[in-house]
Amino acid sequence: AQSVTQLDSQVPVFEEAPVELRCNYSSSVSVYLFWYVQYPNQGLQLLLKYLSGSTLVESINGFEAEFNKSQTSFHLRKPSVHISDTAEYFCAVSGSAGGTSYGKLTFGQGTILTVHP
Amino acid sequence: NAGVTQTPKFQVLKTGQSMTLQCAQDMNHEYMSWYRQDPGMGLRLIHYSVGAGITDQGEVPNGYNVSRSTTEDFPLRLLSAAPSQTSVYFCASSYYRSPYEQYFGPGTRLTVT
Repeated sequence: AQSVTQLDSQVPVFEEAPVELRCNYSSSVSVYLFWYVQYPNQGLQLLLKYLSGSTLVESINGFEAEFNKSQTSFHLRKPSVHISDTAEYFCAVSGSAGGTSYGKLTFGQGTILTVHP
Repeated sequence: NAGVTQTPKFQVLKTGQSMTLQCAQDMNHEYMSWYRQDPGMGLRLIHYSVGAGITDQGEVPNGYNVSRSTTEDFPLRLLSAAPSQTSVYFCASSYYRSPYEQYFGPGTRLTVT
């Protein structure tokens, strides 16, 4: 079984400040890790993913996340946030290819990021 | 491409009523799934399908039925609605070779009174 814990339910920050959204996972098998973003009244969109290789992954809009196997974490960071980053962010885990949980996403509880002017 | 479409956007049901939530995708994706989203609980997988004619249960399947007669459509049926099924329902689809890169529909907000 696999599970995901997002340590903060809400994170308020001011515009241009740095932000970190925390995510820890547990799994007995190798995993793939993801961050999805949900803007108000919309479905989820994939923000970034870790499948293998470099443990630091980046998105096109300045977010990055680092896979830390020893700490079973996949925290999301951005050095300078914008008002338009206001959204709910979900960390998710999936079993890697070849396993029975391949393709089945397990989501965390979500973190609401609110960026204030 | 319309992507993933869901109908209706909003629905109110009385306890015991049945209904079908519709989901369609035009990307020729093999993999489709249904999630429910509840405050503080993230998204939970209800049912999923890896292709036409093949479905399987997710984390919270009780009270829901699915079928997949075509690649494009994946309806979710509530057999006898209960207040505990009040939620926002999302349909998602992806290619089977990358099932975690899922494309989500806009959601259906269901209230059961």
